[in-house]
Amino acid sequence: EPEVTQTPSHQVTQMGQEVILRCVPISNHLYFYWYRQILGQKVEFLVSFYNNEISEKSEIFDDQFSVERPDGSNFTLKIRSTKLEDSAMYFCASIRTGLNTEAFFGQGTRLTVV
Amino acid sequence: DAKTTQPNSMESNEEEPVHLPCNHSTISGTDYIHWYRQLPSQGPEYVIHGLTSNVNNRMASLAIAEDRKSSTLILHRATLRDAAVYYCILVNFGNEKLTFGTGTRLTIIP
Repeated sequence: EPEVTQTPSHQVTQMGQEVILRCVPISNHLYFYWYRQILGQKVEFLVSFYNNEISEKSEIFDDQFSVERPDGSNFTLKIRSTKLEDSAMYFCASIRTGLNTEAFFGQGTRLTVV
Repeated sequence: DAKTTQPNSMESNEEEPVHLPCNHSTISGTDYIHWYRQLPSQGPEYVIHGLTSNVNNRMASLAIAEDRKSSTLILHRATLRDAAVYYCILVNFGNEKLTFGTGTRLTIIP
């Protein structure tokens, strides 16, 4: 069964540092997403990406965040100057076409900012 | 974003059917009803989705009310592995992002 893979599974970083979270979506998928989940809270939408550009972003996704699909397979989330409150699980997801298909999620990257 | 309302938690005995309700009274004609679940320490996982008609797959069944203002996810025979948070989400054409609510935490009693 196809799957979305995320690396690393756990990242610890010092406050103020930059981190890059990596995702490999399913190969024939066209829509890509990043979500985050702070411990004990709900899953929050960050950004969606289609046709090599951001299609929508939430108010959480400010200038601190950026996404990139550098090589046609990887999909990355960069967080600049991390803050303590960025500590969360970050999930990548992909969808093949439009709404009438399922989204596949990765297992997540647990980011801990110390 | 169209909103859904689900009970915060439910319990069910193992090997019995489970009916998880969801209200979405403001659903529009182009909203699909999706269900996802999140097992402990894992990413969300697709369960099922539908538009108007009831749907069945290997994991569950989805019963959609005739007016589409509510739906019910049915797990026909709950196992301990079904313990998870279940999310009912409306997905609209042209806005394919998933907006998660707080979901229903399902506990399975052995």
